[in-house]
Amino acid sequence: EDKVVQSPLSLVVHEGDTVTLNCSYEVTNFRSLLWYKQEKKAPTFLFMLTSSGIEKKSGRLSSILDKKELSSILNITATQTGDSAIYLCAVERSGWNDMRFGAGTRLTVKP
Amino acid sequence: EAQVTQNPRYLITVTGKKLTVTCSQNMNHEYMSWYRQDPGLGLRQIYYSMNVEVTDKGDVPEGYKVSRKEKRNFPLILESPSPNQTSLYFCASLAKNIQYFGAGTRLSVL
Repeated sequence: EDKVVQSPLSLVVHEGDTVTLNCSYEVTNFRSLLWYKQEKKAPTFLFMLTSSGIEKKSGRLSSILDKKELSSILNITATQTGDSAIYLCAVERSGWNDMRFGAGTRLTVKP
Repeated sequence: EAQVTQNPRYLITVTGKKLTVTCSQNMNHEYMSWYRQDPGLGLRQIYYSMNVEVTDKGDVPEGYKVSRKEKRNFPLILESPSPNQTSLYFCASLAKNIQYFGAGTRLSVL
């Protein structure tokens, strides 16, 4: 059965810390992996990864895909309280009509 | 402004009383879908639509209906809501592999 597993489920850090969030997947016909940030409302798009080993970067956030290990990590450096959110990983299968989400990692950044 | 609009944002209803959650997008996207989000389960797809008059079941379609009579609108219908449908619902439209989500509808069925 296809599945997307995120870890940890919950994480509490202090401002300035660096965090690494994990996403592993087992899906057939993998096409892409996406990261979303969900604060109080709707998830907002962060990154889309299709190629292994190529890092995507946006400010203090970066992400990389490892197709051999069937996983991806999302790094956040110098965390701020505004980074507090649920981070969702989703895997798209070929055919683009199917996207499987992980349960999310709830990150809390304390001042 | 490009957006996906859901209404209502909050809804409390009783078992068996039919309800509709509307979803509209202004980006001319062909693909739209509905998700429900429950603690510990992440987002699960209910139904999706690849174009007008084309809809299909997602992972958890039981108890839900949808329609896609025009490209911009994709309403979610609960003919006879039950308490296990209490959840946070998101509508999304898709372009270039990226989903754009509505603000969510928090539904409570008593």
